[in-house]
Amino acid sequence: DVKVTQSSRYLVKRTGEKVFLECVQDMDHENMFWYRQDPGLGLRLIYFSYDVKMKEKGDIPEGYSVSREKKERFSLILESASTNQTSMYLCASTLPRALAGVRGYEQYFGPGTRLTVT
Amino acid sequence: RKEVEQDPGPFNVPEGATVAFNCTYSNSASQSFFWYRQDCRKEPKLLMSVYSSGNEDGRFTAQLNRASQYISLLIRDSKLSDSATYLCVVNLFNDYKLSFGAGTTVTVRA
Repeated sequence: DVKVTQSSRYLVKRTGEKVFLECVQDMDHENMFWYRQDPGLGLRLIYFSYDVKMKEKGDIPEGYSVSREKKERFSLILESASTNQTSMYLCASTLPRALAGVRGYEQYFGPGTRLTVT
Repeated sequence: RKEVEQDPGPFNVPEGATVAFNCTYSNSASQSFFWYRQDCRKEPKLLMSVYSSGNEDGRFTAQLNRASQYISLLIRDSKLSDSATYLCVVNLFNDYKLSFGAGTTVTVRA
């Protein structure tokens, strides 16, 4: 069974703090993703990575950065947290298309981190 | 315009009823379509892929209409455990990224 874990379920930080959200997957997946989920807006892609040290911006990268030093770990960094970054953050991973066949785009999600910035 | 749009609901139905809802997508080049299920305060999980000819998985039936750019999900004989938010998900060919709708909430009551 694929397992994606996230470092915290709930996090409260102050405005201006640097925040690290960690995600680990145990299935040797190439691709990893960070989303935020807000009511009425659905999941929005922040960044994704298709290999170690590789990253690409998603739809809403402003205010965030990422790090992928090991295949199993993908970190999301909020350099200076702001109140508009209060949200649910979801990490996901998936096999590359060539290996995954018709179910290639099934993304496996971690349990999420609910971040509150005060 | 959002890439994927869904009626947020909620759809409140009694046990045993049939409930159906659609989602529309804006990019005609979209190639892969999925329904994900998200329980309250949980992560999304794949419910089913949607194939061009339509497909069933037990009590769930998914349909794709490329001409009108919408997909649908029908749930027959609803169970209390079907209460969840259903996310419509669309993917372009050879693209890692998925586009998610905001979700349709279904509540099944006893």
